[in-house]
Amino acid sequence: DIQMTQSPSLLSASVGDRVTLNCKASQNIYKNLAWYQQKLGEAPKLLIYNANSLQTGIPSRFSGSGSGTDFTLTISSLQPEDVATYFCQQYYSGSTFGAGTKLELK
Amino acid sequence: QVQLKESGPGLVQPSETLSLTCTVSGFSLTSYSVSWVRQPSGKGPEWMGRMWYDGDTAYNSALKSRLSISRDTSKNQVFLKMNSLQTDDTGTYYCTRDLVPFDYWGQGVMVTVSS
Repeated sequence: DIQMTQSPSLLSASVGDRVTLNCKASQNIYKNLAWYQQKLGEAPKLLIYNANSLQTGIPSRFSGSGSGTDFTLTISSLQPEDVATYFCQQYYSGSTFGAGTKLELK
Repeated sequence: QVQLKESGPGLVQPSETLSLTCTVSGFSLTSYSVSWVRQPSGKGPEWMGRMWYDGDTAYNSALKSRLSISRDTSKNQVFLKMNSLQTDDTGTYYCTRDLVPFDYWGQGVMVTVSS
């Protein structure tokens, strides 16, 4: 089974900061990677698919990059409403999620 | 608009069987696949299995022996049955529209396994 490792597990940043979240796959998944945002008490929300494609309706400050085993989610200018936990997911073979990065305001 | 809604018991006894229903609207089960995903409190989601648009199924290998997914296209419903529940099966269970990846999610149903 493919394992997904996210880092860091907790990230503190200030409004306006450029924020980078990391996700590493245990084997090559090409670009079969998605990013989700989950706010407290809500279902996950799809942000990015195919590693770098922005889902409809998602602000352009969110972007994704990477291929193979190493991936990144970047928020270009952090907003208060971005406080949430972010999960990566591989869908190359079955589906596996990472354990998440919790993003908080400093 | 696309909607999914999970329903089922909130409390299940250990060793019993969990039965959940996902009722969808705004899309056809013969055109889109639906997956079940669960999430223990404070942890990452876990994909459980998929009902393909053509009626085929796929399961997480870790759950395959206990899990069954079926559907009733006339009622726009997908069903999950999982047997031999234990306390570590406690969590929120979601159904999702599976467009590879999951573009729409239900609100989730909290399931507690306890005597």
